[in-house]
Amino acid sequence: DIQMTQSPSSLSASVGDRVTLPCRASQSISSYLNWYQQKPGKAPKLLIYAASNLQSGVPSRFSGSGSGTDFTLTISSLQPEDFATYYCQQSYSTLWTFGQGTKVEIK
Amino acid sequence: EVLLVESGGGLVQPGGSLRLSCAASGFTVRNNYMSWVRQAPGKGLEWISVIYSGGSPYYADSVKGRFTISRDISKNTLSLQMNSLRAEDTAVYYCARVRFDIAATKDWGQGALVTVSS
Repeated sequence: DIQMTQSPSSLSASVGDRVTLPCRASQSISSYLNWYQQKPGKAPKLLIYAASNLQSGVPSRFSGSGSGTDFTLTISSLQPEDFATYYCQQSYSTLWTFGQGTKVEIK
Repeated sequence: EVLLVESGGGLVQPGGSLRLSCAASGFTVRNNYMSWVRQAPGKGLEWISVIYSGGSPYYADSVKGRFTISRDISKNTLSLQMNSLRAEDTAVYYCARVRFDIAATKDWGQGALVTVSS
């Protein structure tokens, strides 16, 4: 199985900060990498698909980059509603896997 | 509008069985890839199963041989039969529609809580 690693598991940031969240795959997954946002008690929400494509309706302050094994989700200017947990997910193999998630907390 | 509604969650003893259902509206289950994702209390997301539009099922190692994913075309529903349940299967279970053109999970249900405890 392909392992997805997200580190750190949490970070503190302030409103207006530029935040970058890394994700690493245990083997090359080309651009088959998605990013989800999850708030407590809610289902995940798709933000980015295929590494760098913004899902319709998602604010443009979110962007994704990377290919192969190393990927990044960037929030250009953190807003109050962005405090949440972010998960990367690979869809390269038949068995999809998620990273452990990074929780973005208020500093 | 796409809507996914899970049902069938609850409390079950270790070793027991439970069947989750997911009623879909706004699209046809038969023509889509459908998956189940779970989240243990306070933990991250775990992808556990997918069924392709052609009917082929796939499972994570953690549930293989114990869980079965299926579809009821006439009712436009997705199901997950869970047998030999363990305490570590305690989680919120989400059904989700996979957009195979973008290889991502876009539409999610609200989740169903399954608690395995004596």
